[in-house]
Order: sequence, then structure tokens, then C-alpha cells
Amino acid sequence: AQKVTQAQTEISVVEKEDVTLDCVYETRDTTYYLFWYKQPPSGELVFLIRRNSFDEQNEISGRYSWNFQKSTSSFNFTITASQVVDSAVYFCALSEALKAAGNKLTFGGGTRVLVKP
Amino acid sequence: NAGVTQTPKFRVLKTGQSMTLLCAQDMNHEYMYWYRQDPGMGLRLIHYSVGEGTTAKGEVPDGYNVSRLKKQNFLLGLESAAPSQTSVYFCASSYLGPNMIGNQPQHFGDGTRLSIL
Repeated sequence: AQKVTQAQTEISVVEKEDVTLDCVYETRDTTYYLFWYKQPPSGELVFLIRRNSFDEQNEISGRYSWNFQKSTSSFNFTITASQVVDSAVYFCALSEALKAAGNKLTFGGGTRVLVKP
Repeated sequence: NAGVTQTPKFRVLKTGQSMTLLCAQDMNHEYMYWYRQDPGMGLRLIHYSVGEGTTAKGEVPDGYNVSRLKKQNFLLGLESAAPSQTSVYFCASSYLGPNMIGNQPQHFGDGTRLSIL
């Protein structure tokens, strides 16, 4: 069975500090996909990034960066120079690669990020 | 472009009552999903569908039924509501993608907050 663990339940930082969110996953599949979603206080879920299991390149998008390490089954997310608008719950998720699997997502429990001004 | 629309947004039920949550997507997506979100547990998959007329069980299907009579709609039913079903329910959809592999991001509705007394 697949499992995603986000050990940090809540992180509080002061604006402009960097914050790193940890995500560790378990799967028996050799090919899989990892995702990060953001859930702001308004409640909707916003897709941030998708990563394939065979592509371990790190990625940077503006103030966001992701560090995927297959050897440690981790897919960590860093917000650089955090802003108040980054306050949200962030979810890491894992999906199987097979078409027949229906692209089902297994979510971690989420990490609440609170950025104080 | 509405994306994924859930109705209703809020509902209060008494134990034993029944109701149906409606999800509609206008993106011509093949896959649709129902999740529930409980504090500290992330999102858990209830049921999903890989195409019109098909449904399958997810991680927590007990007490729920679903139907997908039309490609754009996915209904979630509670036949006899229980207090344990108090939760926020999210519908999502995704498409197969050019390689016919289920790795496409899921697009979420805004959620339905359901309270069962």
C-alpha cells in the first residue's frame, strides 16, 4: 500500500524567513508521480507541482523549490523569503502510474504554514 | 470556465437522513473522484470513476454510494447519515493525458462542508 508522511503538522515563521516542508513516501511501484497542493484559508486546493519518479532534477519556480531524492523517498518543498500570503496547509501526494489505477492520489496529512508579519 | 463545481456548499443533516452531493466538471475529464477531509488526516479517497458508467471503491467507501451516469457528473450519496461522516467533501477530476498514463494533476472543487447531528 502507498503511504505519504508529512511529519510536520504546523510550522510558524516570520515573514522573509525560509521554510522547508518535509514529505516522505512509501510505494512498491517503480514508476509513480508526486504532487504538492496548497490549501489556503479559503479552502480550495491548488495544484503546485508534479514530479515523475524517473526525473530527480530539482525544480525552482519563483520562491518555490522542490528537492526530490528517490534514494531517501523524499520530496521536500521549500518556500524562500516567505510572505503572509504563503500561509496555508500544504499537502504532498503520491499517485500510481498505471492508467487502470485511475490516477488515484494518496495524500499526506498536511503541514500548516503560518507566516507572521 | 467553471472547472469543478460542487453543490451544495454547506449542509446540516440529522442522523439517519439521506442526501446526495453533486459534482459537475466542464473540462471533459475522464476521471472523477470524491474525497473527504478530516483534521490531521489529509484527504482520503472515498470512490472514484475512470469513465462514464464506471465506479470503484477508494480507501474509505463504507456508508457511501456513487454514480456516474454522465461523463460530466459524479454523484456521492449518503443513504443513512452518521455523525462519523461529518467532514469536508471534495470532488476532483483529471484527464488521461497524451501518454494515456494517469499522471495528470487533479482539479478540485471548492468543497462541501457537511455536518451530521
